[in-house]
Amino acid sequence: AQSVTQLGSHVSVSEGALVLLRCNYSSSVPPYLFWYVQYPNQGLQLLLKYTSAATLVKGINGFEAEFKKSETSFHLTKPSAHMSDAAEYFCAVSRGGYNKLIFGAGTRLAVHP
Amino acid sequence: DAGVIQSPRHEVTEMGQEVTLRCKPISGHNSLFWYRQTMMRGLELLIYFNNNVPIDDSGMPEDRFSAKMPNASFSTLKIQPSEPRDSAVYFCASSSGQVNQPQHFGDGTRLSIL
Repeated sequence: AQSVTQLGSHVSVSEGALVLLRCNYSSSVPPYLFWYVQYPNQGLQLLLKYTSAATLVKGINGFEAEFKKSETSFHLTKPSAHMSDAAEYFCAVSRGGYNKLIFGAGTRLAVHP
Repeated sequence: DAGVIQSPRHEVTEMGQEVTLRCKPISGHNSLFWYRQTMMRGLELLIYFNNNVPIDDSGMPEDRFSAKMPNASFSTLKIQPSEPRDSAVYFCASSSGQVNQPQHFGDGTRLSIL
């Protein structure tokens, strides 16, 4: 069965610091992986997706994620945090047909001055 | 391009009342998903459709919940009768149905049952 684990329900960084949000997956087949961001009072918005074309995936707002099969990880990074990055971030893996997604529990990112 | 459209954005009603949430998926998408989000339980998948047919409703919490998709451009989620524990944000999402394509989410309906 496929599943997703996000390490750390809350992460706090200073403005300008590196952002690292962790995601590990379990899958018996090559996975399709996604990162979503949710700002307050909004729906989930796609940040980036991995579909096996390249292991380093660039997304919107300066975020990127690297797929590491040996570590079964798909961590999200951004070199320099901005106050506007404060939000909740969800990692997800595509499961089976119809594009059903399995979501992690989410990581809430706080950015302080 | 129009995204997924949900209505109403907010709904406040008294327990026992019927509640109907509406969703218009992105044109051309043939998969539609209903989710519920709460602080306690996080994001839960309630039901999903493909080509207007319900595929899996195992996430629907009780018989009080029902969902329909009468055509490719409209879906409803109904709660009857509503209870205070149904208070949550309900999201609709749609996708092309291909396994490597993302789901696109609406802005949600914030439901409060008094």
